[in-house]
Amino acid sequence: GNSVTQMEGPVTLSEEAFLTINCTYTATGYPSLFWYVQYPGEGLQLLLKATKADDKGSNKGFEATYRKETTSFHLEKGSVQVSDSAVYFCALDTDKLIFGTGTRLQVFP
Amino acid sequence: DTAVSQTPKYLVTQMGNDKSIKCEQNLGHDTMYWYKQDSKKFLKIMFSYNNKELIINETVPNRFSPKSPDKAHLNLHINSLELGDSAVYFCASSQSSYSGTEAFFGQGTRLTVV
Repeated sequence: GNSVTQMEGPVTLSEEAFLTINCTYTATGYPSLFWYVQYPGEGLQLLLKATKADDKGSNKGFEATYRKETTSFHLEKGSVQVSDSAVYFCALDTDKLIFGTGTRLQVFP
Repeated sequence: DTAVSQTPKYLVTQMGNDKSIKCEQNLGHDTMYWYKQDSKKFLKIMFSYNNKELIINETVPNRFSPKSPDKAHLNLHINSLELGDSAVYFCASSQSSYSGTEAFFGQGTRLTVV
């Protein structure tokens, strides 16, 4: 069946550090891929998405590229801020959204 | 002007009780969902409705029954609550059920069964 695997957290970084959160997927067909973010006490919000191979999604300095050959959609940001501290979920969508287990990011000043 | 609103935000109840969580979206979306997030933050779809019709029903106990009176509302009723039902329940909506459509989430209902 379809599934998403994310790196386990927490990921702890200092402000302005480079961020990578790995995400790989297993799917039949051609899923759309997403990154959602959950700030403390809130629901999930879409961060970025890509709907076909080689597409790059980007938002708020975050980027992820849909790599069909490696079935990956790794999230990157060049310089994280304290306000980026949250839980990040990778997800795929064929007929329903399937989420990874989430990766907690903690950024310290 | 909350896009997807759930009530209540917190719910503490005893085992064996019956409770409901309400969800409303004002985005004009056709599709609505219920997700369960456990204590480890794992998020799993429970149900999906498209234009008031059930389209996804994951392996959820029969004690959980969704009701969609119109396409802007999707309520979740839970009978005979058990300790294992404690979780955060999220309602969400999307413009359609097609792949690639963004889902908008409510703030969640934290259910604690004691």
